[in-house]
Amino acid sequence: EAQVTQNPRYLITVTGKKLTVTCSQNMNHEYMSWYRQDPGLGLRQIYYSMNVEVTDKGDVPEGYKVSRKEKRNFPLILESPSPNQTSLYFCASPPGEGTDNTEAFFGQGTRLTVV
Amino acid sequence: AQTVTQSQPEMSVQEAETVTLSCTYDTSESDYYLFWYKQPPSRQMILVIRQEAYKQQNATENRFSVNFQKAAKSFSLKISDSQLGDAAMYFCAYRNSRYFGNEKLTFGTGTRLTIIP
Repeated sequence: EAQVTQNPRYLITVTGKKLTVTCSQNMNHEYMSWYRQDPGLGLRQIYYSMNVEVTDKGDVPEGYKVSRKEKRNFPLILESPSPNQTSLYFCASPPGEGTDNTEAFFGQGTRLTVV
Repeated sequence: AQTVTQSQPEMSVQEAETVTLSCTYDTSESDYYLFWYKQPPSRQMILVIRQEAYKQQNATENRFSVNFQKAAKSFSLKISDSQLGDAAMYFCAYRNSRYFGNEKLTFGTGTRLTIIP
């Protein structure tokens, strides 16, 4: 079954304590992306990756890092979380180039609270 | 940059009735995709329907259909015979059709749909 798996689903942390949210896909997709969802703002792209070792900023990258050392994994790293990063986070992976399928597969979401 | 606007933060409809959710967008591109996503309380993002801009025919998926007006940059979702399971947040989203580059989805702010039994 085609899947994007995020962990953890819920996370409460304190300001300044580094954390990583993992994302893994089993579809061999080249493209992966992170979004955050906030009330009244919809979903906004944080970072994306077009392939292994190729990453770039989205619309709201401040305070986040990513890495893409292998195709299936795309972790989101918060080096020093702050309360304004409290949000619902989604990892997504569309099929990308060379296919007519435009559906993006989303992970289950990670509810992050920074106190 | 592309923008997507959903002007109805909340809507409600009687069970079995029909409801239309509005979405407008702005882009300078001529070829693109539009989507409606459903987000139930489980937070899962579920693709409801998609529309290719080069197709004049409006997309339909069972009880869900769209009214795509390219010149007006409007993309509304009609839900017929509303069911309790349709209660959710609905997001309109846009994506450029070019495969080379950032396959970013640009989302609207969402419409929360309540179904009244």
